[in-house]
Amino acid sequence: QKEVEQNSGPLSVPEGAIASLNCTYSDRGSQSFFWYRQYSGKSPELIMSIYSNGDKEDGRFTAQLNKASQYVSLLIRDSQPSDSATYLCAGKGSGGSYIPTFGRGTSLIVHP
Amino acid sequence: DAGVTQSPTHLIKTRGQQVTLRCSPKSGHDTVSWYQQALGQGPQFIFQYYEEEERQRGNFPDRFSGHQFPNYSSELNVNALLLGDSALYLCASRRYEGETQYFGPGTRLLVL
Repeated sequence: QKEVEQNSGPLSVPEGAIASLNCTYSDRGSQSFFWYRQYSGKSPELIMSIYSNGDKEDGRFTAQLNKASQYVSLLIRDSQPSDSATYLCAGKGSGGSYIPTFGRGTSLIVHP
Repeated sequence: DAGVTQSPTHLIKTRGQQVTLRCSPKSGHDTVSWYQQALGQGPQFIFQYYEEEERQRGNFPDRFSGHQFPNYSSELNVNALLLGDSALYLCASRRYEGETQYFGPGTRLLVL
């Protein structure tokens, strides 16, 4: 069974700090990975996608992928209270089917 | 450019009843997927529709059925509701050839 694992948290960081969110996956054939942000009571919003090993930066967000270790992470620099949300990691399996498998999400709390 | 829309936003049903949820995809999108998100969990894939046919299905019983219309909108039907069907139901759309899917605001279903 293909699984995506995340620590449910909560991860608490002070305002201005770097928040590091981690995710591991079991399907070695996974090609694409996605980070979604979900505010309480709202639907998931795509933050970043990453397909290749290494880092991908977009503003304050950096996604990191290590396929050998089957590990994906999201770094949020200069964390703001408005970043407080649940962050969902999703991996797209192999075989040409776009059916991402989601982790349960990590709750991030950024306190002033 | 209208995003993904869903109706209704909230719904309360009793065990054994049937429910129909509706989704209109983002403009230009032709593929619709449905997800169930229980409290504290990540979205679980129910099924995906393209060209008015169910293309992929997750591990959900036959009580869950769907439909896609020629205008790409979609319905999710759940029969013989159980207490465990209480969840946020998310619709996501994308272009068939695309990687990025966008979620609608969701329908929160409570089964009493």
